[in-house]
Amino acid sequence: EAQVTQNPRYLITVTGKKLTVTCSQNMNHEYMSWYRQDPGLGLRQIYYSMNVEVTDKGDVPEGYKVSRKEKRNFPLILESPSPNQTSLYFCASSSHDRRAEQYFGPGTRLTVT
Amino acid sequence: KNQVEQSPQSLIILEGKNCTLQCNYTVSPFSNLRWYKQDTGRGPVSLTIMTFSENTKSNGRYTATLDADTKQSSLHITASQLSDSASYICVVTTSGGSYIPTFGRGTSLIVHP
Repeated sequence: EAQVTQNPRYLITVTGKKLTVTCSQNMNHEYMSWYRQDPGLGLRQIYYSMNVEVTDKGDVPEGYKVSRKEKRNFPLILESPSPNQTSLYFCASSSHDRRAEQYFGPGTRLTVT
Repeated sequence: KNQVEQSPQSLIILEGKNCTLQCNYTVSPFSNLRWYKQDTGRGPVSLTIMTFSENTKSNGRYTATLDADTKQSSLHITASQLSDSASYICVVTTSGGSYIPTFGRGTSLIVHP
């Protein structure tokens, strides 16, 4: 089954404790991205990757890092999480074609206390 | 600055009724416009995608229209069902430079029996 998976689905952590949210897709997609969704603000792009070893900042990259060492994986790293990073996070993937459908993962709900 | 504005912010209708959601955008240069459906706590799922030359696209009971001259789009839902209760998100992608889609904040639709 074609899908985007994220882990963990739920995470509660404390300020400053490094964490990684994993994202994996099985569709051989070149393009992957991370979004955060906050009430009243909609989805905002954090980082995106056009292919292996190619990443770029989205609208709200501050406080986040990503890596793309393999085509199928695109982890999101929070080196020193802060409470303002409490949010619902989505990973998505698609082929390079701008018209291609973007497939979203199930989401990771992160709470930073 | 690229922007996507959606209206209304929320809408309540009775099962079986039709409704129309609006999307206005200022994204330039324009590549495509998508409508997504997002159930609570889940990732968005694509409903339709339209390019500059397309002015209508249907997906079952969902029909999207696009007026590229006025930079407006609408999503019409026919014979609504309880399962249509969700957030509907309009997303516009540029045709040049970095691939960062601009998301609207969504319209929250509630269908009552």
